[in-house]
Amino acid sequence: GDSVTQMEGPVTLSEEAFLTINCTYTATGYPSLFWYVQYPGEGLQLLLKATKADDKGSNKGFEATYRKETTSFHLEKGSVQVSDSAVYFCALLNDYKLSFGAGTTVTVRA
Amino acid sequence: GAGVSQSPRYKVAKRGQDVALRCDPISGHVSLFWYQQALGQGPEFLTYFQNEAQLDKSGLPSDRFFAERPEGSVSTLKIQRTQQEDSAVYLCASGQGRDYGYTFGSGTRLTVV
Repeated sequence: GDSVTQMEGPVTLSEEAFLTINCTYTATGYPSLFWYVQYPGEGLQLLLKATKADDKGSNKGFEATYRKETTSFHLEKGSVQVSDSAVYFCALLNDYKLSFGAGTTVTVRA
Repeated sequence: GAGVSQSPRYKVAKRGQDVALRCDPISGHVSLFWYQQALGQGPEFLTYFQNEAQLDKSGLPSDRFFAERPEGSVSTLKIQRTQQEDSAVYLCASGQGRDYGYTFGSGTRLTVV
């Protein structure tokens, strides 16, 4: 079946540091890929998406590129802020079903 | 409404009680999903509706779990004879189609004591 594996946390960074969260997937067919974010006390929010190979999703300074050859969709941000502290989930959509990774907790210190 | 609304936000149930969790999706969204998120884990698929039809219930963990969406809008997830292992956040999501992603509600945190 479909599955998503993402980097285990927690990850603690200083403000303005570079953030990478690794995500790899296993799926049949041609899934769409997503990153969702969950801020403390809030629900899941869509951060960015890519629907086909080599697409780059971007939002709020975050980027991720759909790499079919390595089955990866790593999330990156060049300069994090304290407000980026959250749990980040990588997910794939195959047909109608979203499958999530376990989540990576990111804490950014001032 | 502007988003997916879930109620109640928190629910404490004694073991063996029945509970009902409500989801109001975004108006016009055909697809509706229920997910279960255990503490420290990613959401796990429970069931999927397209309009009023329940097309996939393969993720429901036992026959104590039942979901319905009788008129193709509001959905209810019912858990009978709750057990401690049912404690989790139950998320509802709705969407217009796969390329748009799905919008999630804030969830209902169920604690079974």
